Amino acid sequence: NAGVTQTPKFQVLKTGQSMTLQCAQDMNHEYMSWYRQDPGMGLRLIHYSVGAGITDQGEVPNGYNVSRSTTEDFPLRLLSAAPSQTSVYFCASSYRGPNSPLHFGNGTRLTVT
Amino acid sequence: AQSVAQPEDQVNVAEGNPLTVKCTYSVSGNPYLFWYVQYPNRGLQFLLKYITGDNLVKGSYGFEAEFNKSQTSFHLKKPSALVSDSALYFCAVRDGAGGNNNNDMRFGAGTRLTVKP
Repeated sequence: NAGVTQTPKFQVLKTGQSMTLQCAQDMNHEYMSWYRQDPGMGLRLIHYSVGAGITDQGEVPNGYNVSRSTTEDFPLRLLSAAPSQTSVYFCASSYRGPNSPLHFGNGTRLTVT
Repeated sequence: AQSVAQPEDQVNVAEGNPLTVKCTYSVSGNPYLFWYVQYPNRGLQFLLKYITGDNLVKGSYGFEAEFNKSQTSFHLKKPSALVSDSALYFCAVRDGAGGNNNNDMRFGAGTRLTVKP
């Protein structure tokens, strides 16, 4: 059972470039989300989805797009990378409902120069 | 919106001593509280959760947490710390006010626990 799989593990971009961070889960979780982790700021929610075809914004959505065409996949797109998007990105999933803990991937470390 | 505060950036304890990592929360409905641990270059791992019922919750690796509604706190504890407990710990909350429609989990800034031999 792979859990939550994120690719790539590391990425370096130049300002203005675009890229997609991939996330896949094999636990049939309805809820999926993206966080960014920055020193001293904990994890901040970027976007989330409660099921295929449904997405919504979190705390810090600007500069990021998401889509949810299947239950398993939830890619995060950076359309025009900026240095402020240098961070570690985590994908997480859970069953729907407030009492279900999140399962996390191992993260993608992104550097924008 | 729900929020979490972890007032200590760093907690240092000696091996064998009890440890406490503090967390306070704010929600409009019933709180669903979680603790996670993060080891270097890894994702967060779930330790324990409080949903309802007994105020003392037991979790993985000998950790427990005490829910205090009047103080809106959910402190993580362990009776005897190990060097291997050294890691980054996050408290998180979901607000039960939205029922199954509210799944957003908000995290504190994290507390780095260092256990010295």
